[in-house]
Amino acid sequence: QVRLQQWGAGLLKPSETLSLTCAVSGGSFNTDWWTWIRQPPGKGLEWIGEINQSGSTNYNPALKSRVTISEDTSKNQFSLKMSSVTAADTAVYYCARLAYSGSGSNYVDFFDPWGQGTLVTVSS
Amino acid sequence: SSELTQDPAVSVALGRTVRITCQGDGLRNYYASWYQQKPGQAPVLVMYGKNNRPSGIPDRFSGSTSGNTASLTITGAQAEDEADYYCKSRDSSGKHYVFGTGTEVTVL
Repeated sequence: QVRLQQWGAGLLKPSETLSLTCAVSGGSFNTDWWTWIRQPPGKGLEWIGEINQSGSTNYNPALKSRVTISEDTSKNQFSLKMSSVTAADTAVYYCARLAYSGSGSNYVDFFDPWGQGTLVTVSS
Repeated sequence: SSELTQDPAVSVALGRTVRITCQGDGLRNYYASWYQQKPGQAPVLVMYGKNNRPSGIPDRFSGSTSGNTASLTITGAQAEDEADYYCKSRDSSGKHYVFGTGTEVTVL
C-alpha cells in the first residue's frame, strides 16, 4: 500500500521560497506520476504540477513561472519549490500520487493516495 | 479559475438520496474522479471513471457521466457522508488537471 509523508517549512515571509518534500513508501515510485495540490484556507483545491520517474514535469500554467518540482529517486522522494511567495500562496499543500485505470476510451486518472497536508503561511 | 462547476451546497435528509453534479467541457473527453474532504483532513478518493469505487468506499456511492456533466450519487446518505466533495478532470486543452469548485453536503 502506497503511503505519502510530507514535510517542510510552515511559515514564510513574502518573497521567500517555499520548499516541501514528500516521501513515498510502499512501492511504485518508479512507475507513477507524483503531484502537488494546494488549498487556501476555506477555499477549493488547486493542482500545482506533477513529475514522473524520469523527471518529466507538467505545471499549472498559472503557477509555472514560480514552481519547480524535482525528485530524488534514490530516496523515493519528490519536492516542490515555489519562489517569490506572497500572502496569496498561504494554503495547505498536499502531495499525491497520480494513478490511472483503463485504456483508450476507458482511461481515467485520479489522485490517490494523498499526503497528510502541510499548512504554509506567508506573512511578514 | 476552475473549468469545472459544482453547486456550492446541497442538503439531504438522513437515508435519502443526493446527487452532486460537475459540469465542464473537459468532461466530454476525460472522465471525472471524485474526492471527499472532511474538516481538517486530506481529500479521499471516493469515485473514478464511469462508476468505479476504490476499496473501502461504501456501495451507496455511485458515479455516472453524460456529455459535459459528471455526477456522484449517494443513495441512503449517512451522517458520516457530511463533507465537501470535489470533482477533478482535465482542462479543455487536456494537458492540465482541474478541480471543481466543490460542493458542501449537509446530512439533515
